[in-house]
Amino acid sequence: EAQVTQNPRYLITVTGKKLTVTCSQNMNHEYMSWYRQDPGLGLRQIYYSMNVEVTDKGDVPEGYKVSRKEKRNFPLILESPSPNQTSLYFCASRSGDGELFFGEGSRLTVL
Amino acid sequence: GEDVEQSLFLSVREGDSSVINCTYTDSSSTYLYWYKQEPGAGLQLLTYIFSNMDMKQDQRLTVLLNKKDKHLSLRIADTQTGDSAIYFCAEFGSSNTGKLIFGQGTTLQVKP
Repeated sequence: EAQVTQNPRYLITVTGKKLTVTCSQNMNHEYMSWYRQDPGLGLRQIYYSMNVEVTDKGDVPEGYKVSRKEKRNFPLILESPSPNQTSLYFCASRSGDGELFFGEGSRLTVL
Repeated sequence: GEDVEQSLFLSVREGDSSVINCTYTDSSSTYLYWYKQEPGAGLQLLTYIFSNMDMKQDQRLTVLLNKKDKHLSLRIADTQTGDSAIYFCAEFGSSNTGKLIFGQGTTLQVKP
């Protein structure tokens, strides 16, 4: 089954403790990206990757890092999380004909 | 910068048609999407349209694209209570960038 898988789905952590949210897709898509969703602010793009070893900033990249060492994985790294990074995070991948699939979301709380 | 706008709320009666509207500013858009999000859930892709198309129909859903006016609409025929959700339109820019911009979302309320 074609899918985008994110882990963890839920996480509560403390300020400054490094964490990684993984994202994996099994559709051999070149394009992948990360978004955060916040009440009143909607969905905003954090980073995207057009292909392996090619990443670029979206609208809200501050405080985040990504890597794309292989096509299927696109982890989101929070080196030193802060409370303003408490949010619902979505990963997505896109097929060559434009179909854009989202993962189920990862709800992160930073205390 | 690029922007995508939607009205925030729409209320309809069960069995009526719903039309959710979206406007965007990027004239080099390639793909435009409609997603549905139910409370506490993820983003479900409903349909999408390539920018060289005017219309796309998929069962109860009809997407209309007016590229000249940069206007996108989603029509849901025979709206059911299960269609109550937030609907997002999103616009993907030119093919050599990876930026995807979402509207604020339209809350659709379906009354029995």
